[in-house]
Amino acid sequence: QKEVEQDPGPLSVPEGAIVSLNCTYSNSAFQYFMWYRQYSRKGPELLMYTYSSGNKEDGRFTAQVDKSSKYISLFIRDSQPSDSATYLCVLPESGGGADGLTFGKGTHLIIQP
Amino acid sequence: NAGVTQTPKFRILKIGQSMTLQCTQDMNHNYMYWYRQDPGMGLKLIYYSVGAGITDKGEVPNGYNVSRSTTEDFPLRLELAAPSQTSVYFCASTDAGTVGGYTFGSGTRLTVV
Repeated sequence: QKEVEQDPGPLSVPEGAIVSLNCTYSNSAFQYFMWYRQYSRKGPELLMYTYSSGNKEDGRFTAQVDKSSKYISLFIRDSQPSDSATYLCVLPESGGGADGLTFGKGTHLIIQP
Repeated sequence: NAGVTQTPKFRILKIGQSMTLQCTQDMNHNYMYWYRQDPGMGLKLIYYSVGAGITDKGEVPNGYNVSRSTTEDFPLRLELAAPSQTSVYFCASTDAGTVGGYTFGSGTRLTVV
């Protein structure tokens, strides 16, 4: 069964802190992994994706995958109030994701000014 | 570029009423999706389409119907609305070669009373 587990939070940290968001998954067949960000009353938007294991960096954001332990992390450096949102761990239903995505419940992040 | 447009943004229905949620995209994407998001839950796939004239059920299709007569439009029909269909509905689209890069609309908040 394809499931994605996330701590719903809320996670509240002061501005400038390093944030660590995590999720676990159950199906080892997944080949790539995504983080979506969802602001209140908005649709989700793709933040970043990464293949296989290892790290991928994009500005202040770093995605990390450990396939051996089925553990995915998103790190945010120098966090800003504008980073306050719900972060969704997302995996494709199939290799290409054409038949949909599996979403975690999301972690609600609050960055305090 | 408008992206994915959903109408209406809000709607209150009485039990047993019917309605159509509209979704239009102007990116010439072949793949389109309907998700629902309940409070504290991950997005659940209702229906999806890989091209005009082709639709398929997702995880939670009961109580809904879809059609895809054009590449741009993917309406979602609710027949005999029930309180369990109170949710936020998101339409999304993507292109065949895009890795996880779904574009979401801003959602329709539906309340069934």
